[in-house]
Amino acid sequence: QKEVEQDPGPLSVPEGAIVSLNCTYSNSAFQYFMWYRQYSRKGPELLMYTYSSGNKEDGRFTAQVDKSSKYISLFIRDSQPSDSATYLCAMSVSGGYNKLIFGAGTRLAVHP
Amino acid sequence: DAGVIQSPRHEVTEMGQEVTLRCKPISGHNSLFWYRQTMMRGLELLIYFNNNVPIDDSGMPEDRFSAKMPNASFSTLKIQPSEPRDSAVYFCAIHGTSTDTQYFGPGTRLTVL
Repeated sequence: QKEVEQDPGPLSVPEGAIVSLNCTYSNSAFQYFMWYRQYSRKGPELLMYTYSSGNKEDGRFTAQVDKSSKYISLFIRDSQPSDSATYLCAMSVSGGYNKLIFGAGTRLAVHP
Repeated sequence: DAGVIQSPRHEVTEMGQEVTLRCKPISGHNSLFWYRQTMMRGLELLIYFNNNVPIDDSGMPEDRFSAKMPNASFSTLKIQPSEPRDSAVYFCAIHGTSTDTQYFGPGTRLTVL
């Protein structure tokens, strides 16, 4: 079993839909949780960063962490075609100085 | 891709050849990470450096792979000899200063024929 599980999709939604992306993990020591967005043939771009449990909102994006369930989510409201990309969750025990463990990535397509 | 320059952006080589990938943080960073991304295995950490010292190289697949960070502004990943299964996109990442996470370069797409 992988340390971080993420459904690779693809996920196809109409423009304006609410998108929910999820990851589960097995290592209870993870404290730092990130979401990266990766456009085709580009490097991963940091989208959201959360320490420990709770919610964090940034514009149309909301990240949630439920450590009791070992489950994290990224919600995208009012999705746009420009949101079409692969979304990778990543986790770390002790922050960005040390290794991040990535999920497989979920490919999202938002169609007009 | 902010803050990290990688070269070359694309590399096509033949099996058995030596390949050197380069990473240059725009401003010096003491923590630097090399990742490899493939369809089959996703994004995997190969090695990372703190204060220019290799901390964890357990992700380096074989002795054919080696990495150096002679200073805070430069790192190399070398594959010698290269094999077709090394074909992947190789990313360099640096530790962020504003958030305790990592920022990625644009990657080098390596094809070994």
